[in-house]
Amino acid sequence: GAVVSQHPSWVICKSGTSVKIECRSLDFQATTMFWYRQFPKQSLMLMATSNEGSKATYEQGVEKDKFLINHASLTLSTLTVTSAHPEDSSFYICSPRGYTFGSGTRLTVV
Amino acid sequence: AQKITQTQPGMFVQEKEAVTLDCTYDTSDQSYGLFWYKQPSSGEMIFLIYQGSYDEQNATEGRYSLNFQKARKSANLVISASQLGDSAMYFCAMREWNNDMRFGAGTRLTVKP
Repeated sequence: GAVVSQHPSWVICKSGTSVKIECRSLDFQATTMFWYRQFPKQSLMLMATSNEGSKATYEQGVEKDKFLINHASLTLSTLTVTSAHPEDSSFYICSPRGYTFGSGTRLTVV
Repeated sequence: AQKITQTQPGMFVQEKEAVTLDCTYDTSDQSYGLFWYKQPSSGEMIFLIYQGSYDEQNATEGRYSLNFQKARKSANLVISASQLGDSAMYFCAMREWNNDMRFGAGTRLTVKP
């Protein structure tokens, strides 16, 4: 069990554009979703926590207006990186249960 | 405050030998879980082993075992009979009751033929 699908696995976008990352829990319902970010050669850092149907809670230093999280259903959460800049280039990974993870999305902003 | 400490940025091991990856943690909670993950170059986080704070026996999963010393707040991962495919980043993580997962800095393991 605990199958998690994250899409896309990698994306390259131009500076100033927005990118949406989807995370689906395929065989269970996820009331809570954690979103992590991992810069090269670093560890995973929690960005935000969202509960289905309510606003996400962001970690200190993470801009909530830049990283929009939607958790409208128990099986789907999305992270939208708005007005992306090269410094947003990173590996983004979702975690629906806090111990299982999506396969991650490698974002490169050029 | 840093809660998970992995002091070995990199480790080398000869194929077929055992290796221990260190992890210490800090918490005031009585109920928590300790996890180890393997992250190959693809980036996916592969769950290896779990130890609950109330578990008296050390967890084992195939070639992986967790040396849990609660009083010392350490949760070292032991990989026996290393294989070339074990080369990857390894992260120790802790989850306190109903909270998110917090990760250590990671250890890059290289298995030499």
